Amino acid sequence: GQNIDQPTEMTATEGAIVQINCTYQTSGFNGLFWYQQHAGEAPTFLSYNVLDGLEEKGRFSSFLSRSKGYSYLLLKELQMKDSASYLCAAVDSNYQLIWGAGTKLIIKP
Amino acid sequence: ETGVTQTPRHLVMGMTNKKSLKCEQHLGHNAMYWYKQSAKKPLELMFVYNFKEQTENNSVPSRFSPECPNSSHLFLHLHTLQPEDSALYLCASSQRGQGNQPQHFGDGTRLSIL
Repeated sequence: GQNIDQPTEMTATEGAIVQINCTYQTSGFNGLFWYQQHAGEAPTFLSYNVLDGLEEKGRFSSFLSRSKGYSYLLLKELQMKDSASYLCAAVDSNYQLIWGAGTKLIIKP
Repeated sequence: ETGVTQTPRHLVMGMTNKKSLKCEQHLGHNAMYWYKQSAKKPLELMFVYNFKEQTENNSVPSRFSPECPNSSHLFLHLHTLQPEDSALYLCASSQRGQGNQPQHFGDGTRLSIL
């Protein structure tokens, strides 16, 4: 079957760095998305990786290893507004999104 | 402002009621989606419309009935729902046929079944 695993909840300190991991098992693979979702709001697109390596966008970076079925989202210089859920979604061979349950990130002062 | 608008934001209904959820996208996309989001569970894809034609129905009970009159509007008609249908219902849109474009989501309708 197809499956996405990511931690349920993580806690980090304002100003620090946090890495949110995601492992996937899909029938075929056509890339991986990360989304951010604040409570009561829409998920918003953060990044898309289809090739191995690190993609950097300001304070946020996303990494992909296709051979390991693994991705992570790296958040630097954490701010209180980064408290949110982070959703990982892999694209299978039929271009369907397989979603993880999300990681709730709590930022403490 | 995500470009995808959902109404109402909150809905409380009894099991015998009939109601409809509405979604409108202002992004010029050609595909629209309905998802169910329950606490601590992955997003569940319910329906997909591509150029107004339904292309996916992921074994959704018939008490949920989608309607897509044009590529900018999507409805979800609700009838005789069950308590386990209480959840956040998200609408999304994307541009298919141009590589792997991200889906853009609305803020959702929080549905509570009494």
